[in-house]
Amino acid sequence: AQSVTQLGSHVSVSEGALVLLRCNYSSSVPPYLFWYVQYPNQGLQLLLKYTSAATLVKGINGFEAEFKKSETSFHLTKPSAHMSDAAEYFCAVSGGGATNKLIFGTGTLLAVQP
Amino acid sequence: EADIYQTPRYLVIGTGKKITLECSQTMGHDKMYWYQQDPGMELHLIHYSYGVNSTEKGDLSSESTVSRIRTEHFPLTLESARPSHTSQYLCASSGGQGPQETQYFGPGTRLLVL
Repeated sequence: AQSVTQLGSHVSVSEGALVLLRCNYSSSVPPYLFWYVQYPNQGLQLLLKYTSAATLVKGINGFEAEFKKSETSFHLTKPSAHMSDAAEYFCAVSGGGATNKLIFGTGTLLAVQP
Repeated sequence: EADIYQTPRYLVIGTGKKITLECSQTMGHDKMYWYQQDPGMELHLIHYSYGVNSTEKGDLSSESTVSRIRTEHFPLTLESARPSHTSQYLCASSGGQGPQETQYFGPGTRLLVL
C-alpha cells in the first residue's frame, strides 16, 4: 500500500525567497514519485518525477526535488520564488505496475507575497 | 505537450438530470482515468481503463459510470445528478511502461448540482 503526506496545507513566501514544499511517502515497493502543479481553474501539470534514476530531479519552472530513501521524503524546492509560482502543489506516489494508479497528497497552496 | 480535452469546463444543472462529462485524448494512450477533487482536497480515483472495453472502479466509490468504446474517448455519466455530486472531475491518460509512464491531465470539469 502507498500513501503520501504533505506537511503544510498553506505555505506563504516572499518573492525571491526559497520555496520548500514537503512531501513524505510510504510505499511497500520502490516508488515512483511525482510533483504536479495546479493553477486556478486548470487541471494538473507535471512538474517533475522520480523513477529510481538520479535522486535529485530537476523539473520545469526552476523546481527540483530530492529523493531521500532514508527519510522517505521527496521535498520540492525552488531557490527564488516568483509571483507566477502561486498555485496548489500536489505530491503523488505510484507503485508502477499494470495499473500505475497515482495516490495523491492533500496538496499545498503556495502564496507568494510581493 | 499533452493533448487531453474535457467538456464542458463548467456545468450547473438541476437535481435528477442525466449528465455526461466528455474526455478525449489524441495521444493514443491505452490507459485513462477519472479523478474527483473537492475544494482543498486531494484527488481520488473513481474510474480507470486499461484500454477499449476495459473499465474498473477506482478507490473512491462513485455513482457515476464510464465507458471506453474508442481508445481516445472516456466519457463519464451520472444518470441522476444530486447535490452530493458537486465537485471537480479531472480526466487523465497515460502511455508507456514503468518509469516512462506519466499521467497527463485535462483541464477538468467543475460540476454544480442544485
